[in-house]
Order: sequence, then C-alpha cells, then structure tokens
Amino acid sequence: EAGVTQSPTHLIKTRGQQVTLRCSPISGHTSVYWYQQALGLGLQFLLWYDEGEERNRGNFPPRFSGRQFPNYSSELNVNALELEDSALYLCASSLGSGGGTEAFFGQGTRLTVV
Amino acid sequence: AQSVTQLGSHVSVSEGALVLLRCNYSSSVPPYLFWYVQYPNQGLQLLLKYTSAATLVKGINGFEAEFKKSETSFHLTKPSAHMSDAAEYFCAVSGRLTGGGNKLTFGTGTQLKVEL
Repeated sequence: EAGVTQSPTHLIKTRGQQVTLRCSPISGHTSVYWYQQALGLGLQFLLWYDEGEERNRGNFPPRFSGRQFPNYSSELNVNALELEDSALYLCASSLGSGGGTEAFFGQGTRLTVV
Repeated sequence: AQSVTQLGSHVSVSEGALVLLRCNYSSSVPPYLFWYVQYPNQGLQLLLKYTSAATLVKGINGFEAEFKKSETSFHLTKPSAHMSDAAEYFCAVSGRLTGGGNKLTFGTGTQLKVEL
C-alpha cells in the first residue's frame, strides 16, 4: 500500500513568487494535515482538511491557503513568498478525524526561498 | 491550550545504554500523546501513542513510554540503544475536544546521538 506522497521533493523559489505543493493521502484516508518545519521554529500546524472542507488552520497569514479535492488529495498554496517561508512542508493523512487517530506523514517538500 | 515540553534538545548515549527522552504535557483534559521519530531528510514515523487504554505503551523498534498523570509526563525509553536509533524524536499531543480533529502540537524535538 502506498504511503503519503508529496511533490515536488525540493524546489527553489524567489521572494515574491507563488508556490503550490501537492499531497496524496493514503488510500481511504479523508483527513489531510499540513505542517511547516522551519529551522528554529519546530513543527507547526498549518491546515486541516477533511471531506473536502477546511476544518482548522494554524496561526499563519492568509497567503497560506489550500484545498482538498474530491479524491482527498490536497494542495498547499503560498503566495508572495518570503525568505522565512523556507522550510520543510509536511503533509499527513489519517483515517477519520477523531483525536488520537494515527497520522501518517509524507517525506515532505523542502522549499527554499531566495 | 495544549502543549508539550521536551527537556534536552540533544541527548547522547553510548551504544547499548538506556535511552531516556523526556516529555511533559500540559492539557486541561486527558490528552492523546504521541512519539514520532524523524530521520534526516525524511518525514515523521510514529513510534507509539497513548490513548488511555494502558499507561505503559509499547511501540516499534523496542521503544516504550509510560503515561504518568501525576507528573504530567510521557517519557520515551529504550533499554539498549542501537546506532540506528540516532535521529530526532518529537513528542506530540492532540486533544479530545469535539471538532478538533487530530491536529498535533509538537515539542521542539530531541536529537539523539548514539556513540560507539
């Protein structure tokens, strides 16, 4: 069974540009979570999607947005990139949305903003 | 609000020695607690989780953790360290509040080094 897959694995963008990151959850998983792992800031919750709807978002500006498609895959969009957006972006999926449900993580997308 | 605190950003042990990674939580209600491991340039892998079924939780790769409500702790242990255990370890908490989903709040991580 395929795990959570993220694309691309690495990318470099210039400040002010826009970027789209993609995530395919494990088959049957309806919940997708996005986290940012920036140097010195640790792992921070970005967004939660379940059944196609945004259910919760972390303390990030509106230029961080996303969506979930009918097949439960998800995109994370970041507009007007800033240098501090350089980070590893991790996607996780879970079967259901109840607390305590195991979240399975992808390998991440390493974003570098120059 | 829920939070976890990991004491010690770096821990070094000898191969074969006991591994002890500390995690204390703060939560107004009994939380769900997790330990994840991250190898370089990879995502997170779940080691074990506490969901109130048993206070001593056994996980993969010989790791275990004990939930102690009186100490608000969930420390991770392994009796004998192996070189392959060198990685970064994260403690995380999620809540039991309706509608909260399984949003995880992570500690700052502990880098484990295993020396010969």
